[in-house]
Amino acid sequence: QTVVTQEPSVTVSPGGTVTLTCAASSGTVTRGHYPTWFQQKPGQPPRPLINGDNNRHSGTPARFSGSLLGGKAALTVSDVRPDDEADYHCLLNYGQTVIFGGGTKLTVL
Amino acid sequence: QEQLQESGPGLVKPSETLSLACSVSHGPVKSTSTYWGWIRQAPGKGLEWIGSIYDTGNAYYNPSLRSRVSISRDTSKSQVSLHLTSVTAADTALYYCMSGRSYVYGPEVWGQGTAVSVSS
Repeated sequence: QTVVTQEPSVTVSPGGTVTLTCAASSGTVTRGHYPTWFQQKPGQPPRPLINGDNNRHSGTPARFSGSLLGGKAALTVSDVRPDDEADYHCLLNYGQTVIFGGGTKLTVL
Repeated sequence: QEQLQESGPGLVKPSETLSLACSVSHGPVKSTSTYWGWIRQAPGKGLEWIGSIYDTGNAYYNPSLRSRVSISRDTSKSQVSLHLTSVTAADTALYYCMSGRSYVYGPEVWGQGTAVSVSS
């Protein structure tokens, strides 16, 4: 079965820009995998950020954007704020199967 | 917006069956969800998709759990259920109910989750 890999942890300074990636062991990630991104803070359920149609979910700031980069799905956060510190999860669709990445812990320091 | 609330036993013995329910409410506005499902998160770990059931009645499961899992939907009770048989300590996790308009958009609505511990 395909394994989806994310950076375990990333650190960024306030005001900076960071890109998190989501890679698939089966090969290139495409729009057909409907990459979806979620933000999760401690003690809370995941919150949808970018849906599989690459649109921001209702309430997601424009600082968050999704893309395809070098064969991977990517989530870019611009003008990073302390409140962006959280775990970020990606999801890929393979037919009727859904696979999550291991998640990235984003630290704002 | 649709709201989801999970319920079930917080403690299950090894080898027994875990059964959880998800109550679906959406007030006076008709739901736009076409699928519902379950996702779990073991302590300190990432998210794991368990399975989804569509408004057609078709259900799809994580291949690694397929032999032990079933998801059903009772529209008269506005409820989605999860049954996981032969549980072990590896099934200890926070179980989330979720729903969405289409698999294209991914899970859009999440419950708060219910914690399940497998222990004798």
